[in-house]
Amino acid sequence: QVQLQESGPGLVKPSETLSLTCTVSGYSISSGYYWGWIRQPPGKGLEWIGSIYHSGSTYYNPSLKSRVTISVDTSKNQFSLKLSSVTAADTAVYYCARGAGDRTFDYWGQGTLVTVSS
Amino acid sequence: DIQMTQSPSTLSASVGDRVTITCRASQSISSWLAWYQQKPGKAPKLLIYKASSLESGVPSRFSGSGSGTEFTLTISSLQPDDFATYYCQQYNSYSSLTFGGGTKVEIK
Repeated sequence: QVQLQESGPGLVKPSETLSLTCTVSGYSISSGYYWGWIRQPPGKGLEWIGSIYHSGSTYYNPSLKSRVTISVDTSKNQFSLKLSSVTAADTAVYYCARGAGDRTFDYWGQGTLVTVSS
Repeated sequence: DIQMTQSPSTLSASVGDRVTITCRASQSISSWLAWYQQKPGKAPKLLIYKASSLESGVPSRFSGSGSGTEFTLTISSLQPDDFATYYCQQYNSYSSLTFGGGTKVEIK
């Protein structure tokens, strides 16, 4: 059974870098598909942040592209998100998910709340 | 970027009702559309992919239709477990994915 689990600090100071890791179990990241980050500000809708393919290619939301880096560590079966120069507007629940081709995001992590505050 | 517009934003319905949610794309996305259900405090759950394909384990009362720019999610007979928020998502271009604004299905 495929499972994803987000981890990282729940509180980040303004102007600093938000860093999260998604650990995947039940499926090898290097086997294929793509892996994505999606966020949801409190009380609002879903926003795609970006995706990384098993080939290493990355694609980012144009509105966040200048601040986002997604990478993968196949040895640990993990992929990571870095979002720089955060502000209060980046406060959200951050989800990681598996993108299974035609079935798009079929497995999701439980989500982790990241608050940007001094 | 492709914009996704869902309507209505809120829907009040009763158990047993037939419910329809619409999602419109700002340009053609062929059939590259998914529908998710989200309950408070939980991650979204995939219901429908490729516009009309039912995800494994999802009840058959859920169905999707449409292609191009207009899509619908239909719940044939609303059940108590179906009160939630529903999102559409386009994946026509793997380099830019977008979600609709969501439709909250409330108890009437």
